Amino acid sequence: QSVLTQPPSASGTPGQKVTISCSGSSSNIGSNIVNWYRLLPGTAPKLLIYSNNQRPSGVPDRFSGSRSGTSASLAISGLQSEDEADYYCAAWDDSLNVVVFGGGTKLTVL
Amino acid sequence: QVQLVESGGGVVQPGRSLRLSCAASRFTFSSYGMHWVRQAPGKGLEWVAVIWYDGSKKYYADSVKGRFTISRDNSKNTLYLQMNSLRAEDTAVYYCARDMAEYSAYMDVWGKGTTVTVSS
Repeated sequence: QSVLTQPPSASGTPGQKVTISCSGSSSNIGSNIVNWYRLLPGTAPKLLIYSNNQRPSGVPDRFSGSRSGTSASLAISGLQSEDEADYYCAAWDDSLNVVVFGGGTKLTVL
Repeated sequence: QVQLVESGGGVVQPGRSLRLSCAASRFTFSSYGMHWVRQAPGKGLEWVAVIWYDGSKKYYADSVKGRFTISRDNSKNTLYLQMNSLRAEDTAVYYCARDMAEYSAYMDVWGKGTTVTVSS
């Protein structure tokens, strides 16, 4: 059971917009920045969004993040087949003094 | 470009020890905190430990506390993870990652990982 809750799966067709949610609590998302990572089989995790809504250089502006209260979300617009991957949210938890990850969301492009 | 390369993985029997290394290059290693994160087969990402840039603070996941030790040698630009009393559930790909802000889970560069298999 992950401290941060994500839907196990999401899907969309090419060109659509998909949103992945991440629910936490006041000790993690409610008081610390949220970061999003993408994981493709056999490859290293890649940072997609940091500090709730900032994109590292090289990440397309199709990817956007937001945070409100104890929840966060990752939006992917103009869905492409290469967006098929597992997506994870992560934050520091002040009560546990650890990094907490969501359980991951498997995105399928239909 | 900035690079992290893990090594030291392998097959080990339950109860034995293993030490992982993460060699950093092309950035000032001594200025950054570092994390270990793992992914067990068929499972999601699980954070393992973090160490501050100067080694002054270390935090661990409950699942490894008391068995794993994170350390660093800034003179060698290398991060370590000493893993003792290994269990089958420690089987995973282990990644090291650079920390961009304390208490943040903001990891901007990751290595490709090293595989640890705990099996008799």
